[in-house]
Amino acid sequence: QSALTQPASVSGSPGQSITISCTGTRSDVGDHNFVSWYQQHPGKAPKLMIYEVTNRPSGVSSRFSGSKSDNTASLTISGLQAEDEADYYCSSWRRSSTPYVFGTGTRVTVL
Amino acid sequence: QVQLVESGGGVVQPGGSLRLSCAASGFTFSAYAMHWVRQAPDKGLEWVAVISVDGGEKYYADSVKGRFTVSRDNFKNMLYLQMNSLRREDAAAYYCARVLPKPGTPECAFDYWGQGTLVTVSS
Repeated sequence: QSALTQPASVSGSPGQSITISCTGTRSDVGDHNFVSWYQQHPGKAPKLMIYEVTNRPSGVSSRFSGSKSDNTASLTISGLQAEDEADYYCSSWRRSSTPYVFGTGTRVTVL
Repeated sequence: QVQLVESGGGVVQPGGSLRLSCAASGFTFSAYAMHWVRQAPDKGLEWVAVISVDGGEKYYADSVKGRFTVSRDNFKNMLYLQMNSLRREDAAAYYCARVLPKPGTPECAFDYWGQGTLVTVSS
């Protein structure tokens, strides 16, 4: 049950845009559009930011957007703000007896 | 409003057992598949288990298969995780999570999470 691969850290200045990648395989990320992204602040529960690659739940800022190409999904944060500093995790469904997998996580730092 | 409240965490010796509970409110619990996700201290998220709306389908991570059992009581709006043969590597905060309802899809986005309950495995 290998985790999806994310960069350990990404940083940017306020107002900039950053992109976090999430690399899987043809059996998970590359097989369908069931990829989600979560934001987690220290000591808090994760929060759903993106589902089905590109969709934002109600209440999530439009500064957050998702995309996918082949086996890699991406989360872009535009107009970076101090409150965006957090850990971000991708997740994917897969056709398997262990049908859900998370990414390794990315720490976003706002400089 | 939707609320998920976990309980049952604590300190347990290696090889011991623990039963976690998740009390759900603010939504029709019996209409949603539910998941357990864990996070070891300063580590990433790890999916643990899922149970279907009626409890008829259950899936587990390889790391817990054969040791953990997920169950639910739709009359009491409760989700459970029975953990047996606990290992040091099972130490984590355990979250219950609700799926974002999307009929006809795998429903694999978790839109509500509890605050987590901490399990410590130590002798």
